[in-house]
Amino acid sequence: DAGVTQSPTHLIKTRGQQVTLRCSPKSGHDTVSWYQQALGQGPQFIFQYYEEEERQRGNFPDRFSGHQFPNYSSELNVNALLLGDSALYLCASSLRDRGAKNIQYFGAGTRLSVL
Amino acid sequence: DQQVKQNSPSLSVQEGRISILNCDYTNSMFDYFLWYKKYPAEGPTFLISISSIKDKNEDGRFTVFLNKSAKHLSLHIVPSQPGDSAVYFCAAKNNTNAGKSTFGDGTTLTVKP
Repeated sequence: DAGVTQSPTHLIKTRGQQVTLRCSPKSGHDTVSWYQQALGQGPQFIFQYYEEEERQRGNFPDRFSGHQFPNYSSELNVNALLLGDSALYLCASSLRDRGAKNIQYFGAGTRLSVL
Repeated sequence: DQQVKQNSPSLSVQEGRISILNCDYTNSMFDYFLWYKKYPAEGPTFLISISSIKDKNEDGRFTVFLNKSAKHLSLHIVPSQPGDSAVYFCAAKNNTNAGKSTFGDGTTLTVKP
């Protein structure tokens, strides 16, 4: 049973560029959430997708956008990269119908470095 | 304004002893709490959770205690094992925003043989 997979594992970009990160959820899961984890901090919620729509959003600017595909996989796009966007980006999948009790399963993350 | 705080960045205990990791929260709307464990180069892994209607939940060596009046929860690991060495994150959510977990900054636990 494949868990949550993310690609790429590492990425180096320069300021002003755009980046796309990808996530395949755990088999059977329909909901994908994205988190940003800066060094020495806990993950911060970016947004959540299910039924191919953004359902909840954290305090992140519009430069951060996403997409969910019919097979439940998801992409995170970041435009006009800033140095402060350097972080580990985590994808988590879950089943929507369990409400607050849904357990999120995390991928290993994509390490983004902005130079 | 950090709504979930883990005030101890690190904790070191001897193998076989108890590890106690603490977490405080400020948002009284949180009604579900979780602990995750994270090894280097891996994503966080769910460990144990507790609903706000309970004050204790136990799973093997792991027990989570919730004190709602103090807005405080703790994770007890007994007995601690070297394989428990990892970063532990406390997280909280509420049922109206079930997809969003608010995390603390983590506590690095080191269990010495």
